[in-house]
Amino acid sequence: NAGVMQNPRHLVRRRGQEARLRCSPMKGHSHVYWYRQLPEEGLKFMVYLQKENIIDESGMPKERFSAEFPKEGPSILRIQQVVRGDSAAYFCASSPLQGGSPLHFGNGTRLTVT
Amino acid sequence: KNEVEQSPQNLTAQEGEFITINCSYSVGISALHWLQQHPGGGIVSLFMLSSGKKKHGRLIATINIQEKHSSLHITASHPRDSAVYICAVKPPRGNNNDMRFGAGTRLTVKP
Repeated sequence: NAGVMQNPRHLVRRRGQEARLRCSPMKGHSHVYWYRQLPEEGLKFMVYLQKENIIDESGMPKERFSAEFPKEGPSILRIQQVVRGDSAAYFCASSPLQGGSPLHFGNGTRLTVT
Repeated sequence: KNEVEQSPQNLTAQEGEFITINCSYSVGISALHWLQQHPGGGIVSLFMLSSGKKKHGRLIATINIQEKHSSLHITASHPRDSAVYICAVKPPRGNNNDMRFGAGTRLTVKP
């Protein structure tokens, strides 16, 4: 039973380019969460999605960032016109239910903006 | 001030030592999680607890709700325990998207 799969593991983009981060949740999980981890800081919630719906995007910047979780395929976190401050590790987690069910994390995508 | 504070920030121990990592929080919670982030970056959930104590192998997690404090203990530490340990709390009636994370404790166990 594969865990949460994120790709790519490492992504290098020049300022102004677009970054696309992918997350395939664990089998049977329909809830996906994206977090950002800056160096020496804790994980910060960005967005929570269920299939075809954004449930909570309160942690995601209004500009340049978007997320989707289509009916088929992985969840995508998209960052347009990247800037150096977007350099961070982005983690995806999934759960079968909301509320009390534990999260299962992926290995993260490390984005470096040059 | 962060809602979840961990101490120490960094910890170096010799193999075999007993390790304690602390987590204090300032908000009401329904559950507290301990996570382990490996040097390669992956995050694994170790414990979810809302009261008392849980044990899994050499790992023990305790929580004191009145004092808003939790500890993670590692007995007979081993170099493979080297990782960042993260404390996270979920507010009452909160969901996974409401979780608050500590900055983590970086543990290095030397052989």
